[in-house]
Amino acid sequence: QQPVQSPQAVILREGEDAVINCSSSKALYSVHWYRQKHGEAPVFLMILLKGGEQKGHEKISASFNEKKQQSSLYLTASQLSYSGTYFCGTRGSNFGNEKLTFGTGTRLTIIP
Amino acid sequence: KAGVTQTPRYLIKTRGQQVTLSCSPISGHRSVSWYQQTPGQGLQFLFEYFSETQRNKGNFPGRFSGRQFSNSRSEMNVSTLELGDSALYLCASSLGGFGLLSYSPLHFGNGTRLTVT
Repeated sequence: QQPVQSPQAVILREGEDAVINCSSSKALYSVHWYRQKHGEAPVFLMILLKGGEQKGHEKISASFNEKKQQSSLYLTASQLSYSGTYFCGTRGSNFGNEKLTFGTGTRLTIIP
Repeated sequence: KAGVTQTPRYLIKTRGQQVTLSCSPISGHRSVSWYQQTPGQGLQFLFEYFSETQRNKGNFPGRFSGRQFSNSRSEMNVSTLELGDSALYLCASSLGGFGLLSYSPLHFGNGTRLTVT
C-alpha cells in the first residue's frame, strides 16, 4: 500500500519550520526521503532503518516511529532552496528485493 | 561521474502505438527501477531490474514491460498506448545488491515525458 503523506501542500515564509509526515498501514522496515524541485529529478535526502536513530544534517532531519509506522521530516529555519515536493518511500521488510513504494508527495513552497 | 541518462526527453505518440524508453544508469550501478509520475499520484513503481533479472514488478498491465542488458542499461516498452499512459517516466539507478547494499540511494534521471494523443 502507498504511504500517506501530510500535509499535501504547505506554504511557509523563509525562516519558518516545517514538518512533513509519512504514515503507513503496514509495518515498516525502512523509510526513504526524497525531494523533487520543479522540473528536476527527485534527489535522495536520507534513509531511516528500523532500530536506527534519528538522522539528519544541519537543518533537515527525520525521525522514524516503528510502533506507529510513521516517519516525520523536519525542516528548520526553512530557506528558499527548500521549496519542492517531498516524497517518502517505504519498505516493509529488510529483503532487498522488496519494491520501494512512494507516497503522493508534499508540496512545500517557501516565500521570502 | 555522469548521472542517469534517459532518452528521449519528450515523446508524442497516438493511441494504439507502442513506445520504447531508454535508461543508462550511473557507471557501476546494477539496479535500475522505473517509475511513472502523474499529478496527484506521486511516483508509481513499474519494475526493478538487477543484473538483467526483473526483481520486482508493480501493479501495471502487461502492456508495460522492460528489460535490462548486460551493461545495466535498461529499456521500458509500452504497447497499445492509451491516453492514460501520458506521464513522466522516471528511471532510477542504484548499486543494488543484497543486505545493506539494497538500501543504497536511488539516483533518478530527468525522465521521459510521454504524451499520448
